[in-house]
Amino acid sequence: DAKTTQPNSMESNEEEPVHLPCNHSTISGTDYIHWYRQLPSQGPEYVIHGLTSNVNNRMASLAIAEDRKSSTLILHRATLRDAAVYYCILRDQGAQKLVFGQGTRLTINP
Amino acid sequence: NAGVMQNPRHLVRRRGQEARLRCSPMKGHSHVYWYRQLPEEGLKFMVYLQKENIIDESGMPKERFSAEFPKEGPSILRIQQVVRGDSAAYFCASSIFATNEKLFFGSGTQLSVL
Repeated sequence: DAKTTQPNSMESNEEEPVHLPCNHSTISGTDYIHWYRQLPSQGPEYVIHGLTSNVNNRMASLAIAEDRKSSTLILHRATLRDAAVYYCILRDQGAQKLVFGQGTRLTINP
Repeated sequence: NAGVMQNPRHLVRRRGQEARLRCSPMKGHSHVYWYRQLPEEGLKFMVYLQKENIIDESGMPKERFSAEFPKEGPSILRIQQVVRGDSAAYFCASSIFATNEKLFFGSGTQLSVL
């Protein structure tokens, strides 16, 4: 599985936007970019995924660089409930399992 | 529409005992994945099963661990002769299709070995 690189931790303030970066310079043409998050004492939760175009859903937006070597998860208005570990994962279109890295631990300050 | 159900939520075993962790996937999902998360570490893939079949067990320890997903009933992750190093959170996930579908995770079973 192609590797992703994320900062170990980030901090933001409540009600402000948060941009979580992910580098994936070895991404292949068939790799989808998936984001999951894990709140304390819970299982991971799907956030968003995309291939080439930017994606939006009710939880977040995913901005994908034109060369696909990096992407950014955008939380438009962070709340305290968004404090979690966020995982950026590359998943080949034919792959059956998700391979998690270390993720970014996001802290939200009130 | 119930999510992925795992039980028990917490399981305490003494060294040498057996641990059985159960996972009921979401309705209509026939693909189940098990992950283990050691304290302060990331999630590690263990095994992927479809109904009655083990598809990928590349992350399963070679001894003492086994998994099944029978035609009827929940998926079971079984750990025989538990040791302290088995203490971890075990998460189950399910999906409706095999590839490039989002996974839905349960809340996990926290196994503590005394």
